This record gives sequence, structure tokens and C-alpha cells, in this order.
Amino acid sequence: GAGVSQSPSNKVTEKGKDVELRCDPISGHTALYWYRQSLGQGLEFLIYFQGNSAPDKSGLPSDRFSAERTGGSVSTLTIQRTQQEDSAVYLCASTATGAQGYTFGSGTRLTVV
Amino acid sequence: KNEVEQSPQNLTAQEGEFITINCSYSVGISALHWLQQHPGGGIVSLFMLSSGKKKHGRLIATINIQEKHSSLHITASHPRDSAVYICAVMEYGNKLVFGAGTILRVKS
Repeated sequence: GAGVSQSPSNKVTEKGKDVELRCDPISGHTALYWYRQSLGQGLEFLIYFQGNSAPDKSGLPSDRFSAERTGGSVSTLTIQRTQQEDSAVYLCASTATGAQGYTFGSGTRLTVV
Repeated sequence: KNEVEQSPQNLTAQEGEFITINCSYSVGISALHWLQQHPGGGIVSLFMLSSGKKKHGRLIATINIQEKHSSLHITASHPRDSAVYICAVMEYGNKLVFGAGTILRVKS
């Protein structure tokens, strides 16, 4: 597609439920990143996928968080047993190898009530 | 101490003024990014720098690797420049570490 597409744009869920957030990167971009921005805080890295290599999961805050990237394209971030502190905007970005800069999606605003 | 420090945190300018936002970092990096985030909007990548200076329209970004410092300049500022400007560094690895952002408001 023309840009990085994320869905849903907004998600309200009850505490304890599982949620799935989707990212569709720019076609041909080999690198895909998930970040989150909590209210009043800066952006933080969650996970990075590069081609067929093992993902860098060093930013995932707990084992309730997982992500996969199928076929080197679409990625899904799953949060199990959501907690209120998971409320944030979850941003996906992709880049081509050697590209000058990232392309960010518009984010998914997750609210856990 | 945060790895990436931005200043100022908030900046209000009059239309037409020259604006500078500063970024200092404390780790070795492979590249530095300047990002722009409009209220309620997504994030746009403005520049990626590993040395020297880049210019795009009214925006100029510079980096001094030895001093671990970068600046973003906006010439002839305009109200549409109002946004949050975020400095982010890519450490020797694959992830970005972000500054807290500078909230810029340009008044007409």
C-alpha cells in the first residue's frame, strides 16, 4: 500500500481481555517495528522484525505481549490479559533496507477499562 | 538521566521567527532521527542523520557526532509548523531511543 496501515484505529477493551493489533507495512519494506506511546510519556520500543531473522523482542514489557510477522509482511501485536497500564497508542513503523527514515502508521489507541 | 535529552520542552514562537530545537544524547549511535507529530496525528520522519547537515525546505538538521548533539532549525516559522518534534537515536542495534519531545506552538 501507499503507507503503513494499522487497525483498528481505536480499541476499548475490558481489563483481562486479550487484544490483537494489526500492522500492514509498506510493500517491500523488510524492517517492521512496534512502538508505544503512553499518555504523558515518550515513545518506547517494543519489538523489531527484519526479514527472516529472529525478532528483537527486548522491548516487550512482559510475557503478556507477543508479536508475529507472517510471510514477512503483516504483523500482529497481541496483548493477553490486558491491564490498565497497557493503555497507550501503539505505533507501527516500517523501513526498507538502507532507507533514509521510517514510515509510521497512524497508530492504534488502546484503552483498557 | 535519559539517554536522549531535548530542549526546550515547550517553545512558543511568533510567525516568521527562526526556531532551534536541541537534542543531546549519551550513547554511541549509528544514526539520529528527527520526527514530527501533529496533535491527534501520526508521526512523520523528517530527517535521518549520521553526520553533517541536511536541509529540506525550511527545515535544517545538523549533527555533531563528537559532541553527541543535534539541532533542528525551522526558518520563517509558520503556524502549521506547530507540532511535537521528537529526537530519536538509533543505537548500534535496531531500535530507536526517543527523547521526550519538544512541543512547538507558532502563533500568527
